[in-house]
Amino acid sequence: AQTVTQSQPEMSVQEAETVTLSCTYDTSENNYYLFWYKQPPSRQMILVIRQEAYKQQNATENRFSVNFQKAAKSFSLKISDSQLGDTAMYFCAFRYTGNQFYFGTGTSLTVIP
Amino acid sequence: ETGVTQTPRHLVMGMTNKKSLKCEQHLGHNAMYWYKQSAKKPLELMFVYSLEERVENNSVPSRFSPECPNSSHLFLHLHTLQPEDSALYLCASSQDTGDEQYFGPGTRLTVT
Repeated sequence: AQTVTQSQPEMSVQEAETVTLSCTYDTSENNYYLFWYKQPPSRQMILVIRQEAYKQQNATENRFSVNFQKAAKSFSLKISDSQLGDTAMYFCAFRYTGNQFYFGTGTSLTVIP
Repeated sequence: ETGVTQTPRHLVMGMTNKKSLKCEQHLGHNAMYWYKQSAKKPLELMFVYSLEERVENNSVPSRFSPECPNSSHLFLHLHTLQPEDSALYLCASSQDTGDEQYFGPGTRLTVT
């Protein structure tokens, strides 16, 4: 069975600082995809970044980057220069094949002005 | 963010009521999903439709009945729900199953 673990229920960061959200997963598959989704207080979930397991290079999207450690089954999200609009729930998700996405329980991030 | 819309945004219903949730996607996708989101729990995938055919049904109680009349619309029919069914119900769509998903704003359901 596939599982996704987010061990930090809540985090906070000062505006303009950097924060890292952790995610680990458990799978016996070799080819899969990992995602970070953001759910702001308005509740519409949006994709932040995705990573293909076969790619060694860490994905980057502007201020968002990941640290993908395949052997350790770790997929952390780094947010640089945090902004007030980054305040949201962040969900890590995993997919290996077919239709099943597996989500973590989420990390609530608050950016403090 | 208006690619996937859901109505109503909030719904309060009694356990004997029958209601329906509606989802519409304007992205030209061919797969649609229903998720249940409860506090402090992972998102629970309920149903997946691909090209209007149901391809996943994750042991969801029969009091939840999905319907996908075409690739742009997805319904979730509700009847004789229980208080523990109170949650945020999210609809999502994707181009091909398994591809990254685009979510709607959700329907906050309260069962009294």
